[in-house]
Amino acid sequence: GENVEQHPSTLSVQEGDSAVIKCTYSDSASNYFPWYKQELGKRPQLIIDIRSNVGEKKDQRIAVTLNKTAKHFSLHITETQPEDSAVYFCAASINYKLSFGAGTTVTVRA
Amino acid sequence: DSGVTQTPKHLITATGQRVTLRCSPRSGDLSVYWYQQSLDQGLQFLIQYYNGEERAKGNILERFSAQQFPDLHSELNLSSLELGDSALYFCASSVEDRNYGYTFGSGTRLTVV
Repeated sequence: GENVEQHPSTLSVQEGDSAVIKCTYSDSASNYFPWYKQELGKRPQLIIDIRSNVGEKKDQRIAVTLNKTAKHFSLHITETQPEDSAVYFCAASINYKLSFGAGTTVTVRA
Repeated sequence: DSGVTQTPKHLITATGQRVTLRCSPRSGDLSVYWYQQSLDQGLQFLIQYYNGEERAKGNILERFSAQQFPDLHSELNLSSLELGDSALYFCASSVEDRNYGYTFGSGTRLTVV
């Protein structure tokens, strides 16, 4: 099955700085890449996604890039705020089934 | 409200006992997925059902079982509970034939004492 690796496992950034999380996937047939944000004790929520026919997608302060050749995709958060502190999961989809990365705990320091 | 309903929200039980967790998927979603999330851990895929049939199995223990009923709600049964089974159990649902990601329920927090 698909194997998704996510780095780093923890990330601490100063408020206002940018945060970048990177994921790699193993199966070139993967065609959909969502990102989830999970606040402490709450459910994972979809925050942005990208399909394999697109290289970049942006939504306000968050953006995702996809490099199909290298089989990696990244989440970029600009102008980080305290409410961005959470665990972020990347995922890759083959045949509509998601494989999740292990998660990145992001802490935004005030 | 995500549209995926999980009950109960919290459950405290003793070792050796059996519990049932319930999930109602979002309207129109035929697939249900169960995940286990232990403290500070990632999302461990347990099992998937699609329209009543088991579709995929992950790292699900033999003490655990699940089913999906004709009305599409699903139940996860955990038996002979151990302390290590304490975790958040999430249900997610999706439309099987389109890539729109999964919608997660709020989870059931199981504490085994």
